[in-house]
Amino acid sequence: NAGVTQTPKFQVLKTGQSMTLQCAQDMNHEYMSWYRQDPGMGLRLIHYSVGAGITDQGEVPNGYNVSRSTTEDFPLRLLSAAPSQTSVYFCASRRSGAGGANVLTFGAGSRLTVL
Amino acid sequence: DAKTTQPPSMDCAEGRAANLPCNHSTISGNEYVYWYRQIHSQGPQYIIHGLKNNETNEMASLIITEDRKSSTLILPHATLRDTAVYYCIVRDNNAGNMLTFGGGTRLMVKP
Repeated sequence: NAGVTQTPKFQVLKTGQSMTLQCAQDMNHEYMSWYRQDPGMGLRLIHYSVGAGITDQGEVPNGYNVSRSTTEDFPLRLLSAAPSQTSVYFCASRRSGAGGANVLTFGAGSRLTVL
Repeated sequence: DAKTTQPPSMDCAEGRAANLPCNHSTISGNEYVYWYRQIHSQGPQYIIHGLKNNETNEMASLIITEDRKSSTLILPHATLRDTAVYYCIVRDNNAGNMLTFGGGTRLMVKP
């Protein structure tokens, strides 16, 4: 099992450019989520999904779009990149229901710099 | 959600037990205590969780006070590889709930 795979690992964008961060998991987890982590800070929830076709906003959703067309994939789109979106982005997944608890499996992260 | 309070940093000698405290005085009856850690820029890693009873696994032990207002994560024999930021999170297990992470405790294990 690969777990949660994020691509790319590093990306540099110019202000105003758009891009998509990819996240894929092979554990058949229903729940997937995106977090961002600014230097020296904790993680903040951007968007999450409780299943294919269902997404919802987290704490800091502005400037980001998500979709969930399959169980495996949960891409994060930056519509018009801004320097304030310079951060490390983590994708995470877990099983649904109380049995899955809140035991998240995280990807290795995608480091984004917006100039 | 119940808020948690953790010391920003702690030191521990290699080979000794590391005891990381967490206060969660507003925890409600159906909320669990979760611990994660993040080793230098990697994705956070789940360690352990519990509701009211003490829990132990291959990584750590979790001691929850009887009134559930605080807990302690114990790494019984800390190694240099345990140097990380440790997050204590309180959350119930309702469908759709996603964890939110605070500042955590930066544990430095020293030789």
